Amino acid sequence: EDKVVQSPLSLVVHEGDTVTLNCSYEVTNFRSLLWYKQEKKAPTFLFMLTSSGIEKKSGRLSSILDKKELFSILNITATQTGDSAIYLCAVGGSNYKLTFGKGTLLTVNP
Amino acid sequence: DSGVTQTPKHLITATGQRVTLRCSPRSGDLSVYWYQQSLDQGLQFLIQYYNGEERAKGNILERFSAQQFPDLHSELNLSSLELGDSALYFCASSVERDRGNTEAFFGQGTRLTVV
Repeated sequence: EDKVVQSPLSLVVHEGDTVTLNCSYEVTNFRSLLWYKQEKKAPTFLFMLTSSGIEKKSGRLSSILDKKELFSILNITATQTGDSAIYLCAVGGSNYKLTFGKGTLLTVNP
Repeated sequence: DSGVTQTPKHLITATGQRVTLRCSPRSGDLSVYWYQQSLDQGLQFLIQYYNGEERAKGNILERFSAQQFPDLHSELNLSSLELGDSALYFCASSVERDRGNTEAFFGQGTRLTVV
């Protein structure tokens, strides 16, 4: 059965700090790894990664995938209070289903 | 706005009842996923449809069923409801290209409360 484990489960930082969120996975027939941000309701898409070693970047957020070691990291630099959310990692495997981890709750204090 | 529409936003119903949740995918997306999110379980995959046909099944109870119609909207039917079915139910859609790079976009969810 496909499995996604995120760490830490919860993180509290101050504005301006840099954070690294981790996602490790076990999946049959890996196709993609996705990061989502969930604030009040619906998860919103951040990145999709399919190849090892290629960094995806959007503003202060960046992510990279290591398919050999089966993990990905999401970095957020110069955090702001608006970054407070649950960050979800998901892996696309066999049969096209997306398996999600339980998420990392990030709280950024002013 | 992701372009995925779910109705209703909130639903309160009694145990033993049956409800239908509806999802309209983004224009052009053929694939629809249903997820259940509760506080302690995270996002649990229920079922996926692609172009009207069931493609993948997750931890979906026998009391639950879904379908995708020719116009690609989907419905999730929950019957004989129990208190433990209270959760946020999400629909997501994706256009599956290149053998399934599944960049899925989520609707705002339906909050189901069973009392």
